[in-house]
Amino acid sequence: KAGVTQTPRYLIKTRGQQVTLSCSPISGHRSVSWYQQTPGQGLQFLFEYFSETQRNKGNFPGRFSGRQFSNSRSEMNVSTLELGDSALYLCASSITGVDSPLHFGNGTRLTVT
Amino acid sequence: GEDVEQSLFLSVREGDSSVINCTYTDSSSTYLYWYKQEPGAGLQLLTYIFSNMDMKQDQRLTVLLNKKDKHLSLRIADTQTGDSAIYFCAESLRGSQGNLIFGKGTKLSVKP
Repeated sequence: KAGVTQTPRYLIKTRGQQVTLSCSPISGHRSVSWYQQTPGQGLQFLFEYFSETQRNKGNFPGRFSGRQFSNSRSEMNVSTLELGDSALYLCASSITGVDSPLHFGNGTRLTVT
Repeated sequence: GEDVEQSLFLSVREGDSSVINCTYTDSSSTYLYWYKQEPGAGLQLLTYIFSNMDMKQDQRLTVLLNKKDKHLSLRIADTQTGDSAIYFCAESLRGSQGNLIFGKGTKLSVKP
């Protein structure tokens, strides 16, 4: 079974631009969660989607948004990029998102200059 | 509030056992997880334990849970250089959708 696939692996953007990251979950997994990982703050939860609906959201500004498609694939978007948005963005999928293990992809490394 | 604490570093000799410790604060945790992260990679799920269990063994990995003290440990037997990585402890709270609370990670260095 293929794992969680995230594209692209690396991105370099300029302040003020916007970016879209993509995530394909494990086949059969309907929940997709997004996390931001930075050296200072560690792993922080962004949001979770299930059946195309956002069910849970972390404490991030509205510049961070996401969506999920009917095939469970998900995208997250960051608008008006700031230097502090430089991070590893990790996507995780699970069967239900509640009391089922999260399986992570290899992440997208975003650098904002 | 929820918090998960881990020591930042651990150094062991190849062939020894490694024990990585973690404490958490929220008693409503349902599952507790251990993830491994190698340089440049995502998080690999190593093992997890339901909160009503005391112990789980999976090949070289043994997880011990002391729910009274809110203490979780991961023991790696016969540690190899390939085990060098950062290990994250995480808890899931009852009813929480997709939101795991992670510790800062323990960097395990295995010396030959």
